[in-house]
Amino acid sequence: DTAVSQTPKYLVTQMGNDKSIKCEQNLGHDTMYWYKQDSKKFLKIMFSYNNKELIINETVPNRFSPKSPDKAHLNLHINSLELGDSAVYFCASSQDLWDSGQETQYFGPGTRLLVL
Amino acid sequence: QQPVQSPQAVILREGEDAVINCSSSKALYSVHWYRQKHGEAPVFLMILLKGGEQKGHEKISASFNEKKQQSSLYLTASQLSYSGTYFCGTYGRDSSYKLIFGSGTRLLVRP
Repeated sequence: DTAVSQTPKYLVTQMGNDKSIKCEQNLGHDTMYWYKQDSKKFLKIMFSYNNKELIINETVPNRFSPKSPDKAHLNLHINSLELGDSAVYFCASSQDLWDSGQETQYFGPGTRLLVL
Repeated sequence: QQPVQSPQAVILREGEDAVINCSSSKALYSVHWYRQKHGEAPVFLMILLKGGEQKGHEKISASFNEKKQQSSLYLTASQLSYSGTYFCGTYGRDSSYKLIFGSGTRLLVRP
């Protein structure tokens, strides 16, 4: 009964490949996020979706494309992977974007991406 | 702008106290605190809202000074399980609908 789950947990791939990470939450939340945590542990938001609608799109390369088929799922597709994409990618969810200042965000276990 | 956390790292003996500070250059609506253990996801600890309301952990306390745009997390009588990296996340009053996390404070509690 995991609240926020991600697959895969580990992803090792060659430069130039395309890969996807999947996220699912069973909390009934309206809002989902993607964060990137680099080797220095800096946790930075990439995207957020509210009820399948893209709300936050930080300055992320166009090679990253999120997709939300429904409000319980948020996937991240990465084209033409580069060495600098190596990081841990966390999915998170919260109840309501518009009150997100007082909402807890629940994080998934993370996907450790290594680009060789 | 990313909030600034201090100290960057702290080592404690079990039972000692620690304070972690978080400072922002922006006007804040709320401050969120998370703890992340090595290889795991960040876990929610506490939210501090403008006006003094707190939501979160019973054994960890925190303060939020809205005027100074600062928050402090107080860890008292530390336990081994407190070890990890603590992040503050700030939510600005500019309605950007996003948390901006600080660079983290690494805490190690030794027996």
